[in-house]
This record gives sequence, C-alpha cells and structure tokens, in this order.
Amino acid sequence: RKEVEQDPGPFNVPEGATVAFNCTYSNSASQSFFWYRQDCRKEPKLLMSVYSSGNEDGRFTAQLNRASQYISLLIRDSKLSDSATYLCVVNIGGYSTLTFGKGTMLLVSP
Amino acid sequence: GAVVSQHPSWVICKSGTSVKIECRSLDFQATTMFWYRQFPKQSLMLMATSNEGSKATYEQGVEKDKFLINHASLTLSTLTVTSAHPEDSSFYICSASPGSANYGYTFGSGTRLTVV
Repeated sequence: RKEVEQDPGPFNVPEGATVAFNCTYSNSASQSFFWYRQDCRKEPKLLMSVYSSGNEDGRFTAQLNRASQYISLLIRDSKLSDSATYLCVVNIGGYSTLTFGKGTMLLVSP
Repeated sequence: GAVVSQHPSWVICKSGTSVKIECRSLDFQATTMFWYRQFPKQSLMLMATSNEGSKATYEQGVEKDKFLINHASLTLSTLTVTSAHPEDSSFYICSASPGSANYGYTFGSGTRLTVV
C-alpha cells in the first residue's frame, strides 16, 4: 500500500463548480497534514494545513479523519485560476520529511 | 517570511559534466534542507536530507557519490550532479522549514536540468 494515495485525475469541471479531492495515508503515526498546490513546471506551494477539527480558508475547506486516515479538500465556486495539481502531503512529526501523494490534476474550464 | 531561493532555474549540460544547484534560505536559518526530484507526471521523490555541518542522509536507491550534497552553512545547501547522464534530466527542488515540519515546508523554485 502506498504511503499517501490520492484520487486519480484529472478532474475536469466548469467554472463555479464544487470539487472534492480525497487522500488516504498509511502511517497512523502521522501528525501533520497539508494540501499543496503545484502549477505546471513550478514548485509546490502550501495551500493549507489540515487540522483535526477541519478548517476553512475562503473557498477551500480541508477535513481530516484520523480514525479512517483520510484527508479531503473541498473547493467551492471553482475559478479558472484553480487549475493546478493538488498534492496531499503528510508528515510524521518533528523535523522528519514530508511524504507526498502523486497529486490530482484539476482543470477548470470556462 | 520563510523564503527559499534556488539557483539556477534551469540548466542544460552535456553528458559527463557536473552541475551544481544552490538552495538558500533567505530569511531564516535551516539546519536541515531536503532535496527532491520530480520526473514528468510523477510525484516529488525525496532524494536526500541535507544536514548542516554533517553528512547528508540519502534515500534508498540514490547514489551518494553521484549526487553530492554540501550543507556548509545554516543558509546554504548545494546539490552537485556529477557525471550527468540524460536519465538525470529532471526537476530538482529543495525545501526547508524555519521551524518544525508541523508548519509545512517552503520550496525553492526548482531547477530544471536537461542533460544532452
């Protein structure tokens, strides 16, 4: 089983749509969870951290279910500029490394 | 805050030559930096962990004699791809964090290496 698994893509949605990405992780000792965004041929950029209580940042909502080892990202009212690859990232804590999912590509069309 | 600068952004080199990539933390000190490699349509794969003042820790399958890492100061880590081959062509990215990884990491802008 892969350490971090994400929905296969690409997701093609029209502007204004709501889209949800799912991610599962295998290491139950994982402590920190993030969603990163990566544009084509660019470096990943932190989109948001994911907290146990769930958190929202504008049109983006992240959820964490530790029991099921499951993370989600919801994007409401999709914009063309949301088109990118979304990476689910997990860390087991401290100064250890990040483990990346393969990413899910989102394509928002007019 | 937490800016990581990576240089060069892209490089084309001939087979057999060596290429050095620099990663700098501009506004914080980083005792640990990470080097990743990403092939087209693939996820980022950790190559090695660079530790200031000590030897780097390499991931399984990464040749330490081919990918030389030097972390001589708290703000600079370098990755040298020695005797480069076309299969080394990839997107190399470094990252660091001003604190615990619990706050996420900041990435450099990446270096696109093409070996011809």
